[in-house]
Amino acid sequence: QVQLVQSGPEVKKPGASVKVSCKTSGYKFNTYGIDWVRQAPGQGLEWMGWISTLDATAVYAPKLQGRVTMTIDTSTTTVYLELRSLRFDDTATYYCARGGYGDSGWFDPWGQGTLVTVSS
Amino acid sequence: QSVLTQPPSASGTPGQRVIISCSGSSSNIGNIYVYWYQQLPGTAPKLLIYRDDQRPSGVPDRFSGSKSGTSASLAISGLRSEDEADYYCAAWDDRLNVVMFGGGTKLTVL
Repeated sequence: QVQLVQSGPEVKKPGASVKVSCKTSGYKFNTYGIDWVRQAPGQGLEWMGWISTLDATAVYAPKLQGRVTMTIDTSTTTVYLELRSLRFDDTATYYCARGGYGDSGWFDPWGQGTLVTVSS
Repeated sequence: QSVLTQPPSASGTPGQRVIISCSGSSSNIGNIYVYWYQQLPGTAPKLLIYRDDQRPSGVPDRFSGSKSGTSASLAISGLRSEDEADYYCAAWDDRLNVVMFGGGTKLTVL
């Protein structure tokens, strides 16, 4: 079955960087993109961006442009999210989700989530 | 404040029909597909409705989606206790160039 398994929780200091991984399995890797969505504690969902698994082209939410990088490793069918210059309000659960090509908003399934805590 | 507006809460008794609304604009709902997600407590969101009114396999037909103009709705009929969750609408916004989520609606089954 299709599975997205994410790396474990992280605690980082303000100004640091974090890299979260998302290991995919159960389908042909390059037939779907991967989106990243985050959720601050007790808050709603925020889309961060999408990466093509065909050519590694990424589209980022304007709010995060310059601080975020999404990459892929086709040999291990793993996708990575790096967020730099962390701030307290980056504390959130970060989800990867399989996304469609030309179907923005379609996310199925989702990873289990990775809690990133930014604390001094 | 989200570009897609949902009521923060909704409620119903078992067996009832509940409708959750999602209001947007011509740059999002009025121009492109709407998606709905269910998030049970402590879990990742799950795709419930895609492309306005399509159900993925495995989603009960008690859940249905519709759209009219710049608004969309999720209807849940035959309400069950396990439907108690947060529900989010989502759509691409071609003015902001992001996928927008509604603020979420917390559904309580009384």
